[in-house]
Order: sequence, then structure tokens, then C-alpha cells
Amino acid sequence: DAGVIQSPRHEVTEMGQEVTLRCKPISGHNSLFWYRQTMMRGLELLIYFNNNVPIDDSGMPEDRFSAKMPNASFSTLKIQPSEPRDSAVYFCASTPPTLFRGQSYEQYFGPGTRLTVT
Amino acid sequence: AQSVSQHNHHVILSEAASLELGCNYSYGGTVNLFWYVQYPGQHLQLLLKYFSGDPLVKGIKGFEAEFIKSKFSFNLRKPSVQWSDTAEYFCAVLEGNYGQNFVFGPGTRLSVLP
Repeated sequence: DAGVIQSPRHEVTEMGQEVTLRCKPISGHNSLFWYRQTMMRGLELLIYFNNNVPIDDSGMPEDRFSAKMPNASFSTLKIQPSEPRDSAVYFCASTPPTLFRGQSYEQYFGPGTRLTVT
Repeated sequence: AQSVSQHNHHVILSEAASLELGCNYSYGGTVNLFWYVQYPGQHLQLLLKYFSGDPLVKGIKGFEAEFIKSKFSFNLRKPSVQWSDTAEYFCAVLEGNYGQNFVFGPGTRLSVLP
């Protein structure tokens, strides 16, 4: 299995531009998470999906951020317009379905996208 | 709301020293517990996890952690660290058996001096 795939790995853009980050979860996983990591705030959960449906988006910082999951194998995180304070590493993670009582799974993380907004 | 605290922001050790990183959580119900490691420039990788059973859990690379329910703690230990253990370590808690509400601690940076 290729693991969680994220693209691009690095993105440098100018303030005001639209940025789209992409994630492909592990095949068969039904939950997907977007995190942002910065030195100041550590690892923050932005949003997570279960069976392609957004469950909790309370961590999305503001309306400039939006996330979609059109199918089980693809998700996007969009920032429009981008600002320098959005510079961070954005991680995507996925988990398999919880099938049996007492059975839970860890999150599997992708390699991250390092975003720099100048 | 669930919260996870990690006792130390930055720990500096010499090679062969013993390591213990503290982790405490606030949820009083059933929890699943994890330690992740993030090597410089890399993504988070699972070190070990606790779901049920023996509260002493052994993970990869000689790490272990002990779940003490009465103390709401899940401390990470290694008897002898190596320079290659230099990384950031995150404790995470998942409430209940069906939820997806993972909560990560702020992380502890470990620097091992050769």
C-alpha cells in the first residue's frame, strides 16, 4: 500500500492567491483528517470527514478555508485568498472503519504539504 | 472538552540516558491512547498504542508506555536513548470505541546529544 498521498509536497505562493492541497487516503479507509502544524500552535485539527461527509469543521480557522471530499479516494483543502499567516505544514491522515466494538485504529499520516505564502 | 497535556516542551539528553515523557489527558471514560513520533522534516509515525488489556505497551525501537487509569496518564519511556531518537513526540487520545475524535498533545521535542 502506498500510504496516504499528498500533493504538492511544497507550495510557495503569493498572498492573495488561491491554494489547493490534495490528499488521497489509504484505500478502504473511511475517515479523513486535515491538520495544520506550526511552531507556534503545534498540530491543529482543521476538519475531518467520515464516509465523505464533513463531521467536525470547528477547527477551520475562517471562511477562507474550505475542504471537500467528493469521493472516498480524494479530498482537497482550499485556501482562498491565502495570507502569510497560513504558512504551515498541512497533514492529511486517514483511518479504517471501526467495525467491531473495542476495535479502534490509529491515524495514518501523509507526508504533508509545506505551504509558504509570501 | 478532551485535552491532552505533555509535561515537557523540550527535553535534552545524552546518548544512553533513560527517557520518560509525560502525557496526561482529561477524559474520564474509555480511551484509546497513542504515541507518535515525528523525525525532522518527516510526517507523524505511530510508535505504540493502547486499546485494552495489559497497561504496559511495547512499541517499536525499544519504546514502551504505561497506561495508569487512576492518574489519567500514558507516559512514554525508553531505557537508553540514541542520537537517532532526536524527534518530536506527540501523545494522542481517542475517546471511546467508535469515535474519531483524536486529540493530540502539544508535543515534546527530544534532542539527544551524541
